[in-house]
Amino acid sequence: KQEVTQIPAALSVPEGENLVLNCSFTDSAIYNLQWFRQDPGKGLTSLLLIQSSQREQTSGRLNASLDKSSGRSTLYIAASQPGDSATYLCAVGNDYKLSFGAGTTVTVRA
Amino acid sequence: NAGVTQTPKFQVLKTGQSMTLQCAQDMNHEYMSWYRQDPGMGLRLIHYSVGAGITDQGEVPNGYNVSRSTTEDFPLRLLSAAPSQTSVYFCASSYSRGGAGNTIYFGEGSWLTVV
Repeated sequence: KQEVTQIPAALSVPEGENLVLNCSFTDSAIYNLQWFRQDPGKGLTSLLLIQSSQREQTSGRLNASLDKSSGRSTLYIAASQPGDSATYLCAVGNDYKLSFGAGTTVTVRA
Repeated sequence: NAGVTQTPKFQVLKTGQSMTLQCAQDMNHEYMSWYRQDPGMGLRLIHYSVGAGITDQGEVPNGYNVSRSTTEDFPLRLLSAAPSQTSVYFCASSYSRGGAGNTIYFGEGSWLTVV
């Protein structure tokens, strides 16, 4: 069974600092890895999707890396802003489902 | 474009009652799924469907039923509510199988409390 872990569970940084969020998974036989953002009381919004054959994906200030052999992914958010405050979840995809981590709750202080 | 719409947003049930959480998508997606989110545990898959008339169990299916009579709708039925089913429920849809590499779209969630 795939186990997905996100450390730390919570993170607080001053505005402008770069954010580094970690995700680890136990089974390297994955189709892809996705990073989501969840705002309080809201659903999940897909941020980045990395296929198993890829090493990284970038979108604006966001960059996600994937190392299948070590079972790790890292989400980097450059020059954080208060609007980046949210919970970030990673999810590993197999054939028909996503296995989610519990998330990292980020607070960016103005 | 509404995306994925879930109703109701909030519901309180008594133990033993039954109810249906509604989910509709307007993107003509074949794949739809239901997850529940509990504190500290991430999202867990309850049931999923790969097309109209086809459903299958996920990780935590006990106590829930689903059906898929149309491409647009995928209701989740709680047969006899239990306090352990207190959770936030999310419906999701995507063009193809949820783990196979297409962007997955989530509804805004349904908060269910069973007392």
